Amino acid sequence: GENVEQHPSTLSVQEGDSAVIKCTYSDSASNYFPWYKQELGKRPQLIIDIRSNVGEKKDQRIAVTLNKTAKHFSLHITETQPEDSAVYFCAASSYNNNDMRFGAGTRLTVKP
Amino acid sequence: ETGVTQTPRHLVMGMTNKKSLKCEQHLGHNAMYWYKQSAKKPLELMFVYSLEERVENNSVPSRFSPECPNSSHLFLHLHTLQPEDSALYLCASSRMPTGAGDGELFFGEGSRLTVL
Repeated sequence: GENVEQHPSTLSVQEGDSAVIKCTYSDSASNYFPWYKQELGKRPQLIIDIRSNVGEKKDQRIAVTLNKTAKHFSLHITETQPEDSAVYFCAASSYNNNDMRFGAGTRLTVKP
Repeated sequence: ETGVTQTPRHLVMGMTNKKSLKCEQHLGHNAMYWYKQSAKKPLELMFVYSLEERVENNSVPSRFSPECPNSSHLFLHLHTLQPEDSALYLCASSRMPTGAGDGELFFGEGSRLTVL
């Protein structure tokens, strides 16, 4: 089955700096890679996703890159703000597999 | 209310108790899920229902028993739990099951379970 590894487990940056979170996956059949943000005491919410037919996707300050050959994908947050502080989860899934596998999460702290 | 709602938000139970978690989605979705969230661990899928039929069961102990009476409601019945079952239980829904290619999961805020 799919195995998703996520690094780092904690990340602290200064406001305005960039933050990068990396994930690797094991199943070459995986073709959908979402990122979820979970603020303290809140529900996880999708912030961006990418499918295997593209290598990069951007939405304002957030971007995701995918390297299918190396089986890794990354979340990039630029110009970080204190409200970006949260736990971020990557995930991977494939067609005909209802078990979307999640990484263990990265706790991002943005210091003002 | 819109979205995915879960009750109760907090539950403390003894190992011999029987309790249930409830989830309701107001999004018109066809798939519903139970996930277990433990500290510093990946979200673990427990059960998936598509159009009220269970389509995934990830080797979950029988002390957890799901029920999906219709596409809007999902229950997790709990009995004779162990302290290691203490965790945040998240319900989610999606338009179709994630295996059908429509991946976005909409989560509830979770039920924090403590087993004494």
